Amino acid sequence: GAVVSQHPSWVICKSGTSVKIECRSLDFQATTMFWYRQFPKQSLMLMATSNEGSKATYEQGVEKDKFLINHASLTLSTLTVTSAHPEDSSFYICSARDPGVSYNEQFFGPGTRLTVL
Amino acid sequence: GQNIDQPTEMTATEGAIVQINCTYQTSGFNGLFWYQQHAGEAPTFLSYNVLDGLEEKGRFSSFLSRSKGYSYLLLKELQMKDSASYLCAVIDSNYQLIWGAGTKLIIKP
Repeated sequence: GAVVSQHPSWVICKSGTSVKIECRSLDFQATTMFWYRQFPKQSLMLMATSNEGSKATYEQGVEKDKFLINHASLTLSTLTVTSAHPEDSSFYICSARDPGVSYNEQFFGPGTRLTVL
Repeated sequence: GQNIDQPTEMTATEGAIVQINCTYQTSGFNGLFWYQQHAGEAPTFLSYNVLDGLEEKGRFSSFLSRSKGYSYLLLKELQMKDSASYLCAVIDSNYQLIWGAGTKLIIKP
C-alpha cells in the first residue's frame, strides 16, 4: 500500500521558536495532503488541506499565519509552526490521498509529537 | 451541521465479539471508513464501505446502511492487541473526510 513518512517523529522546542514538520509520500504522487492535529484523548482535527502548487485551505479557527503550509512538490508538504507556544504542543499527523486508489482513502504518516516548553 | 456519533468507550473480553456502532448525518455521502488508532500512533485503515451491506476482512467486518445513516464495525475473536481507538469517518458531498470522536476499546483478559 501507499506509504507516507513524517519527520521528525518528535520534537521539543522552546517557546517562541519555529518548528518545521515534513510529510512525504514515498511511493506515489500526492496532489492533496492533509494536516491534522490531535490532542490527548481527542479525535483528529483537520487543520488544513494542502494542494500541490497552490495555497493551502485552512479550516475555520486555524491561523494561517501561525501554521504555514507549503506543498512545493507532488511528494512533499511541510507544516511550519511559527512562534510556538506550550498550547501548540500536540500530535501532528499528515495524510495523503493516492490518485491511483479508486476511493478516497487517506494514507497517514506516523505523526509528529511536538512539545513546546 | 455534520455529525458523526459513536460510543466513547467500550469494554470487551479477550476471545469475545464486539460491535462498535457509528451513526452519521452529513451533507451527502461518498463512503465510510473505519480506522484503528493505537495510543500515540497514527490511524491505520481497516475498512471502506460505500454500498449497503457487510464487508468481511478476516476478524473484522464492517456494515453499512445508507438509508439509516448507520454503520458498525464487528471485531471477532478479540485479542489484547485490539485494544485501541476505532474511528469512524464519512466522506461528504465535497469529498471532505468528517471524523467521529472515536471509540476507545478496552480488552480484558
